[in-house]
Amino acid sequence: SQTIHQWPATLVQPVGSPLSLECTVEGTSNPNLYWYRQAAGRGLQLLFYSVGIGQISSEVPQNLSASRPQDRQFILSSKKLLLSDSGFYLCAWSYSNYGYTFGSGTRLTVV
Amino acid sequence: DAKTTQPNSMESNEEEPVHLPCNHSTISGTDYIHWYRQLPSQGPEYVIHGLTSNVNNRMASLAIAEDRKSSTLILHRATLRDAAVYYCIPLQGGSEKLVFGKGTKLTVNP
Repeated sequence: SQTIHQWPATLVQPVGSPLSLECTVEGTSNPNLYWYRQAAGRGLQLLFYSVGIGQISSEVPQNLSASRPQDRQFILSSKKLLLSDSGFYLCAWSYSNYGYTFGSGTRLTVV
Repeated sequence: DAKTTQPNSMESNEEEPVHLPCNHSTISGTDYIHWYRQLPSQGPEYVIHGLTSNVNNRMASLAIAEDRKSSTLILHRATLRDAAVYYCIPLQGGSEKLVFGKGTKLTVNP
């Protein structure tokens, strides 16, 4: 069966520090991968999606970047965090649009 | 992307049926209607999806209007665990992106 792993569960980082969140999927190959963010009290915003290794589409201009170095690995990064980067970050995968599966999320607080 | 309209919030009592409506009047003929829900402090989870016919699974039923401009998610017996934000999302076949709207916050009273 397919599983998605996302870590860490919570993170507190100072303003200006770098960020790296990792997401891995098991039990499938060539999945579509996604990063979403949910700011406090707000809706889910699609940040990036990837349909293959090295293929990244950005949905909104921001202080973040994404990379897909391996088929089942998706990384969200920032060189310098801003206060506005705080939020609940979710990784998800799908295959042929049949059901998107989300990870358990990382709650990031930038202080 | 097709626009959707859902009530901001709804309330139900435990063990009663709940009907969550969604209007998607601009839906295209190839859009599937997906429903997801997000429990507090968790990521969204898939509930059900359909194209034209009504659909049933262990979680819920989906009733799709004949003109496909609206649909209703039916929880047959609400439990406290069903308290969540429910999202109705038209998704075009072959589309790569699941885009969430504001959804309906369902409160279940004991």
